[in-house]
Amino acid sequence: QSALTQPPSVSGSPGQSVTISCTGTSSDFGNYNRVSWHQQAPGTAPKLILSDVTDRPSGVPDRFSGSKSGNTASLTISGLQPEDEADYYCVSYTNSSTLLFGGGTKLTVL
Amino acid sequence: EVQLLESGGGLVQPGGSLRLSCAASGLTFSNRYAMSWVRQAPGKGLEWVSGISGSGGSTYYIDSVKGRFTISRDNSKNTLYLQMHSLRADDSAVYYCAKDPMPRVRGAFDVWGHGTMVTVSS
Repeated sequence: QSALTQPPSVSGSPGQSVTISCTGTSSDFGNYNRVSWHQQAPGTAPKLILSDVTDRPSGVPDRFSGSKSGNTASLTISGLQPEDEADYYCVSYTNSSTLLFGGGTKLTVL
Repeated sequence: EVQLLESGGGLVQPGGSLRLSCAASGLTFSNRYAMSWVRQAPGKGLEWVSGISGSGGSTYYIDSVKGRFTISRDNSKNTLYLQMHSLRADDSAVYYCAKDPMPRVRGAFDVWGHGTMVTVSS
């Protein structure tokens, strides 16, 4: 099973908004909205920023938001901050009862 | 503070075996939480490898490790395991354990360990 498709890189200036897409097949996403997003700063373990498409864990700024339409999930980061520079990964629960990560997107804050 | 601490990584020859452990602290490693192993090869992205339900009654694997890796858990010891056999060079990666906040594997990993490195090389 191939990874979900994410753009390799995105960039934006402080204060701007960026959107990272995560595209798969209907089997990759199943009949569920079980898509999560994880942020990984260089040299560190990943950190959950969104679950079930739109749910933000406690402590995650509301600048991070998610959506899903058909076979594409999206992460939008509004009001970019320098500390948002990191790699971002989507992950979905599939029809095969497995999990599938996206290839990852490197966010650069200019 | 909830923490996951992996151990057991190291250098192993192709065809060899390793057993990874993930010890949980700061939480009761009960049947309420599914657990997974996720790996990351050097310079590459995250790859989910295997997951286990809160009770341990259901296990899941990616195709490339089926028949070679076995995930298990001992809730009385607050510990998750990954037994790896017939290791190959492409299994080389940092292996993270990760916790789901519910009994079924979902990928909403609210706690991650810091990882343990596995290197398969002659």
